[in-house]
Amino acid sequence: EVQLVESGGGLVKPGGSLRLSCAASGFTFSSYSMNWVRQAPGKGLEWVSSISSSSSYIYYADSVKGRFTISRDNAKNSLYLQMNSLRAEDTAVYYCARAVDAICFDYWGQGTLVTVSS
Amino acid sequence: EIVLTQSPGTLSLSPGERATLSCRASQSVSSSYLAWYQQKPGQAPRLLIYGASSRATGIPDRFSGSGSGTDFTLTISRLEPEDFAVYYCQQYGSSAYTFGQGTKLEIK
Repeated sequence: EVQLVESGGGLVKPGGSLRLSCAASGFTFSSYSMNWVRQAPGKGLEWVSSISSSSSYIYYADSVKGRFTISRDNAKNSLYLQMNSLRAEDTAVYYCARAVDAICFDYWGQGTLVTVSS
Repeated sequence: EIVLTQSPGTLSLSPGERATLSCRASQSVSSSYLAWYQQKPGQAPRLLIYGASSRATGIPDRFSGSGSGTDFTLTISRLEPEDFAVYYCQQYGSSAYTFGQGTKLEIK
C-alpha cells in the first residue's frame, strides 16, 4: 500500500524557517517524481515544487522561488521542503504528492499544517 | 502560466441527479495533461480522472471526463451521497502545474 506521511509543520514567526519531511513507503520511491502542493485555509490547491526521480530536474512556483528548496533522499525514501523567509501567506496545509508520468498526482499524504504568525 | 477557470463555483443538486462541472483553460491544454480531483473536508485530494478522460484506479464508472483544447468537463452520471465534495481540475505544462479554483458540489 502506498503511503506518504508528512511531518515538520508548526507555528513559525514571519521571516522564520521550517523544514518539512515526507516519508514514503509501499512503492519504489526512486522511480517517481515527487511534489509539494499546499492549501491555504478555506482556499484551493496550489502547486509548490517538483523534483524528478533522480533530483536532476527541480521546479518551483513563482510564489516560493528563491525561498523554498525541495530535495529528496532516495536511500531513505524521503522528500523534503526547506522553507525560509516565511510569510503569512505561506500559511497552509502542505501535502506531499506522487506524480504519475509527471502529469498528475495519484497519491497524496494527509498533509501537515504550517502557520506563519507573530 | 495557464489559468484554469472552473464553473459553476457552487452546484446544488440532489442524489440521483446528473452533475456537469466545467473547466476552461486560458490557452490550449494537451488532453494528456488534464486531470480532475475530488476533495472532502479534512481529507487530501483524490485523483479521479487523468488524461482528460481516463478514470483512475478504483474510481466508479459514474465519473467521466471529456473535452479538449480549452474546454473540459467532469460528469457524474447519478450522484451518490458520498459524491458531495469539492472538485478541482489541474493541468501540467511548461514544467509547472496549475489548479482551477474548485467547484463545490452541495446537496440541494
